[in-house]
Amino acid sequence: EPEVTQTPSHQVTQMGQEVILRCVPISNHLYFYWYRQILGQKVEFLVSFYNNEISEKSEIFDDQFSVERPDGSNFTLKIRSTKLEDSAMYFCASSGGGERPDTQYFGPGTRLTVL
Amino acid sequence: GENVEQHPSTLSVQEGDSAVIKCTYSDSASNYFPWYKQELGKRPQLIIDIRSNVGEKKDQRIAVTLNKTAKHFSLHITETQPEDSAVYFCAATIPFSGGYNKLIFGAGTRLAVHP
Repeated sequence: EPEVTQTPSHQVTQMGQEVILRCVPISNHLYFYWYRQILGQKVEFLVSFYNNEISEKSEIFDDQFSVERPDGSNFTLKIRSTKLEDSAMYFCASSGGGERPDTQYFGPGTRLTVL
Repeated sequence: GENVEQHPSTLSVQEGDSAVIKCTYSDSASNYFPWYKQELGKRPQLIIDIRSNVGEKKDQRIAVTLNKTAKHFSLHITETQPEDSAVYFCAATIPFSGGYNKLIFGAGTRLAVHP
């Protein structure tokens, strides 16, 4: 069964540095998402992406964040200048294909640690 | 605003007992309600879902009920087993006209099944 994949699994960075988190959504899906989960808390929506543009974003997704689909397979989340409070697990998800178009399938996550 | 309340936050049962987790959503436009199981350090995995045109759905030991009028939905696990131990998240989708949706998660229920 196809799965969403993410790299790296763990990223450690210094405050103020830029990070890029990478995702490969399921190949026939149309909609792509980023969520984050601070340790011990709920999963929070960041952004959705469709037809090469952002379709919806949350208050968390400020000017420090950007998303891109640089080619036909990858979907990236960039944080320009990381803050301590950006430390979290970041999940990519995709939906919009096959028998279950509503269902969002999650990747394994990237644990971002900002020091 | 968009919100999903989930109770209880922790649930401890003996193997073989039933477990019930309840959620309430705020946005009446929500039309799809997935449940995710998350084991420690792993991705959220869809275990069952229900759409707003259905009142109940069952898959082996797992069932979900939906009361649209009251904006309540519940997860029922029967004959619990130790491998059911995990954090369970309910979610409600906010649909958009472009065909994509946004998941609003509950705070999660940590279920512990004791042998």
